[in-house]
Amino acid sequence: DQQVKQNSPSLSVQEGRISILNCDYTNSMFDYFLWYKKYPAEGPTFLISISSIKDKNEDGRFTVFLNKSAKHLSLHIVPSQPGDSAVYFCAANTQTGANNLFFGTGTRLTVIP
Amino acid sequence: EADIYQTPRYLVIGTGKKITLECSQTMGHDKMYWYQQDPGMELHLIHYSYGVNSTEKGDLSSESTVSRIRTEHFPLTLESARPSHTSQYLCASSLSGGEQFFGPGTRLTVL
Repeated sequence: DQQVKQNSPSLSVQEGRISILNCDYTNSMFDYFLWYKKYPAEGPTFLISISSIKDKNEDGRFTVFLNKSAKHLSLHIVPSQPGDSAVYFCAANTQTGANNLFFGTGTRLTVIP
Repeated sequence: EADIYQTPRYLVIGTGKKITLECSQTMGHDKMYWYQQDPGMELHLIHYSYGVNSTEKGDLSSESTVSRIRTEHFPLTLESARPSHTSQYLCASSLSGGEQFFGPGTRLTVL
């Protein structure tokens, strides 16, 4: 059973507008959440993370929001740029124990110039 | 800058061949991981290691095996490749339980 879900396989956004990518999780033991960006034929690149003790983390154009009660997190990219076009993966783990990451299926973001 | 390397980047082989996918990292990370990913699917953990001489199977059953004789090196071996092994294989490492750094991946095609 998939513990991290990204229900939107794709998203298209106009350049300069906001991109919002969503992620849901089912395991209440998760306490650390990450977003990765992946280009074709390359490995995922870490973007931004958030601990469960926070509800928001910002890094430049990227902001991650966490809603623990809803078991939901989102990544906001503003303003969106054509170079942001890639597949974005949400991931989660627990900071104790095995620490293994659980990934969603990814959302393909296309930023239209 | 993450320094984790995978070779080969692309591999096309025939059924029944033995293959080894190489993964090395220069960051001194204790933890290393192998993931398998098919297009449009999530990354599935197939093996992980918490240090030298430590290897564990991941969530996705795999016929591959791994070894961890040196901290920096975590090779994956398939004794007899089959078309069902066609996939992208991603290696990663981490220092703690958080961020993992990924290599560029090996795209394996078994004919």
